[in-house]
Amino acid sequence: QVQLQESGPGLLRPSETLSLTCTVSGGSISGYYWSWIRQPPGKGLEWIGYVHYSGRTTLNPSLKSRVTILVDTSKNQFSLELRSVTAADTAAYYCARYLCPSTGCAGFDYWGQGTLVTVSS
Amino acid sequence: QTVVTQEPSFSVSPGGTVTLTCGLNSGSVSTTYYPSWYQQTPGQAPRTLIYNTNIRFSGVPDRFSGSILGNKAALTITGAQADDESDYYCLLYMGSGFWVFGGGTKLTVL
Repeated sequence: QVQLQESGPGLLRPSETLSLTCTVSGGSISGYYWSWIRQPPGKGLEWIGYVHYSGRTTLNPSLKSRVTILVDTSKNQFSLELRSVTAADTAAYYCARYLCPSTGCAGFDYWGQGTLVTVSS
Repeated sequence: QTVVTQEPSFSVSPGGTVTLTCGLNSGSVSTTYYPSWYQQTPGQAPRTLIYNTNIRFSGVPDRFSGSILGNKAALTITGAQADDESDYYCLLYMGSGFWVFGGGTKLTVL
């Protein structure tokens, strides 16, 4: 059973950089696409972007200028960096694996439990 | 800007059938958008229900089904149960690697 676990600081000051890591266990990170999603308190889900195990990424245009997603196959991890955070970046951050049958990627199958990041002075 | 639309809220009686929809502010949803559906209860991570329009994810009861109805993707719950009371989100593929979630539907079972 594949499991994903987010880790990183839970409290940031405005203008700092959010750095989160998703550790994959029970399966290899190779061969798959991996994504970050966030959810502000009381609001809906927002797709941040994805990384292929090869390192190729696609990012949400609304966040692209501040976001980097990297993959480390040797550690079976991928990471999220969000620069210059503000209170609007306060959210639960989830990592997830894309489900990609032969017809193409079709959504997510496995999700991490999520980690709450609060931005406050 | 593309907006994925969902009913903000819906209610269903226990044992009843409800269909939640997922549309676009401009255009029609088809299978090429690879619609998928997720269930989320408060404080929990989303749970995958349906992918690729109508394929149930492993372990999902067959009372959940996905389809295209008219110009929208649809999630139908047949024989609703109390623990189906949750938020439901759809996700669409917009092409060129971009994905967008709908705003979510809060389902009440009463």
